[in-house]
Amino acid sequence: GAVVSQHPSRVICKSGTSVKIECRSLDFQATTMFWYRQFPKQSLMLMATSNEGSKATYEQGVEKDKFLINHASLTLSTLTVTSAHPEDSSFYICSAGGAGAATDTQYFGPGTRLTVL
Amino acid sequence: GQQLNQSPQSMFIQEGEDVSMNCTSSSIFNTWLWYKQEPGEGPVLLIALYKAGELTSNGRLTAQFGITRKDSFLNISASIPSDVGIYFCAGRFMEYGNKLVFGAGTILRVKS
Repeated sequence: GAVVSQHPSRVICKSGTSVKIECRSLDFQATTMFWYRQFPKQSLMLMATSNEGSKATYEQGVEKDKFLINHASLTLSTLTVTSAHPEDSSFYICSAGGAGAATDTQYFGPGTRLTVL
Repeated sequence: GQQLNQSPQSMFIQEGEDVSMNCTSSSIFNTWLWYKQEPGEGPVLLIALYKAGELTSNGRLTAQFGITRKDSFLNISASIPSDVGIYFCAGRFMEYGNKLVFGAGTILRVKS
């Protein structure tokens, strides 16, 4: 299957700082990327849909000014958690789909564990 | 929002046994996907289904896209310890665009 990477895999930061997470599709061009959040022992919650060259579409209840998404190229999307607080601590996972991969299929990155102190 | 009902919530089985889990919805889906997630990792795609009635295998795994397009099942035959993990169904339906709806997951534990 298609390969999606995320960086960093784990990050610990102080409250009030901003954290950037990168999501890359390594062997295909991803016209669309998705950002999810997952709490322990729960399912994945879609935060936003990121389309290359256009603004992201956020799900209801997700603050777009809090979670900044940039999809500048067909292989890279970034999620920036601004002014992070302890309640933002979570497992963030991206997925990608689009040209080169079955368009109805999403391939997931390995996730980023964010801990805000 | 639309929901997928995934069952069972968890299973604790003996090595060598077969496993079956399923997802149902009140909505009609045009794609069903089954993923496995291990602790601290992202979900890994196991099987993708695109047509009603489609039956697809991947090694010891078999999944089917229900005829009514409102359900799907995943079977694992002759389970082994490395099958341990959380299995998620996910689906796409027309009114939701290209976004996926996820089931709550089935936690599988295997005792050897």
